Amino acid sequence: GAGVSQTPSNKVTEKGKYVELRCDPISGHTALYWYRQSLGQGPEFLIYFQGTGAADDSGLPNDRFFAVRPEGSVSTLKIQRTERGDSAVYLCASSRDSTTREQYFGPGTRLTVT
Amino acid sequence: DAKTTQPTSMDCAEGRAANLPCNHSTISGNEYVYWYRQIHSQGPQYIIHGLKNNETNEMASLIITEDRKSSTLILPHATLRDTAVYYCIVSGYGNQGGKLIFGQGTELSVKP
Repeated sequence: GAGVSQTPSNKVTEKGKYVELRCDPISGHTALYWYRQSLGQGPEFLIYFQGTGAADDSGLPNDRFFAVRPEGSVSTLKIQRTERGDSAVYLCASSRDSTTREQYFGPGTRLTVT
Repeated sequence: DAKTTQPTSMDCAEGRAANLPCNHSTISGNEYVYWYRQIHSQGPQYIIHGLKNNETNEMASLIITEDRKSSTLILPHATLRDTAVYYCIVSGYGNQGGKLIFGQGTELSVKP
């Protein structure tokens, strides 16, 4: 079956603009995770959903970042008033549920804020 | 989740076994050892995990010491396609939240 998909693959935006990044998890996976990866670093946890609810959003850096998963499948990560420091690869992963650490990652969205 | 320590980089000759070490001296009894790898410009890929017994699958073998304070990921016959950053992660199992805490990992270069 299809893996985790993320759109767009690349996004260039100007400082101060609003962006939305989309994640389509593997069908049937109830847990969905967002990570951010800066150049030369390992992925950094942002938020995870179990079903429709955000179970842990402790990794969101500030209130400019928000994520939703209204129907328990597709998720959107929203960034308001983007800053150059938000430039990174945003990775989405899904898993059968939140009890397992066997996560399946998408290819990521490369966000560049100019 | 316990912290892990890995070498920054390693080289391996194509066709030879690649042995990637990981120290996790503060691991607690209910924490598993997970290994992921990330090939350039791709998302991380799950490889294997274990609690205290050695594990093997089609990708690799995982050897965990008896005191569980360290482990080794073994790629038995490394190929050029195994060139990647390998992450060792220690995390609890169960309904404690599934987030993964990645460190810097080991950059493995497989050379012809």
